[in-house]
Amino acid sequence: GAGVSQSPRYKVAKRGQDVALRCDPISGHVSLFWYQQALGQGPEFLTYFQNEAQLDKSGLPSDRFFAERPEGSVSTLKIQRTQQEDSAVYLCASQREDNEQFFGPGTRLTVL
Amino acid sequence: AQKVTQAQTEISVVEKEDVTLDCVYETRDTTYYLFWYKQPPSGELVFLIRRNSFDEQNEISGRYSWNFQKSTSSFNFTITASQVVDSAVYFCALSESGNYDMRFGAGTRLTVKP
Repeated sequence: GAGVSQSPRYKVAKRGQDVALRCDPISGHVSLFWYQQALGQGPEFLTYFQNEAQLDKSGLPSDRFFAERPEGSVSTLKIQRTQQEDSAVYLCASQREDNEQFFGPGTRLTVL
Repeated sequence: AQKVTQAQTEISVVEKEDVTLDCVYETRDTTYYLFWYKQPPSGELVFLIRRNSFDEQNEISGRYSWNFQKSTSSFNFTITASQVVDSAVYFCALSESGNYDMRFGAGTRLTVKP
């Protein structure tokens, strides 16, 4: 596709469940970012990949959060033992060479 | 540390009015980038503009214009003759040179009524 896609668009999880969120970046974009957007707030940086290398994961809120991009294309953000405070929209963005970031539609995660 | 403040939480205007969204930033870097994004109800962030710190020229794109003033650390966004389709949340963001992550403001929700 022409843009960044994310799946699922909506995810409802019971507290304690593990979830996996997928991001398909724009083909050829080397850099990929994950952001967390709480209700009524701006996106906050979680982690950054350059190809398959995770160069920065300083924004991940806890060790329950894990991201991977094994082949330098599709990325998965995994959250283990979800908590209510994990409820948010998770945005993925891929970046072209001039540093412009293109965002996907996000996955809205609700933890009950 | 980089920081972006959007003091206006919500703005409501009537169609055809002009509206200005404020953005104030903090950074210790001399080289940085400023951005505006639009987030419609669909949720996707739509890129509007990027401006680097060495270019203080104001920019106009159709009904949109941006006023960058380093003296006041502001990067304000004006929509002229607003339309209902302009209703969205607008985010200002800052990226320091050498950093790849953007620091977003809390956003301003703009509602344009017919």
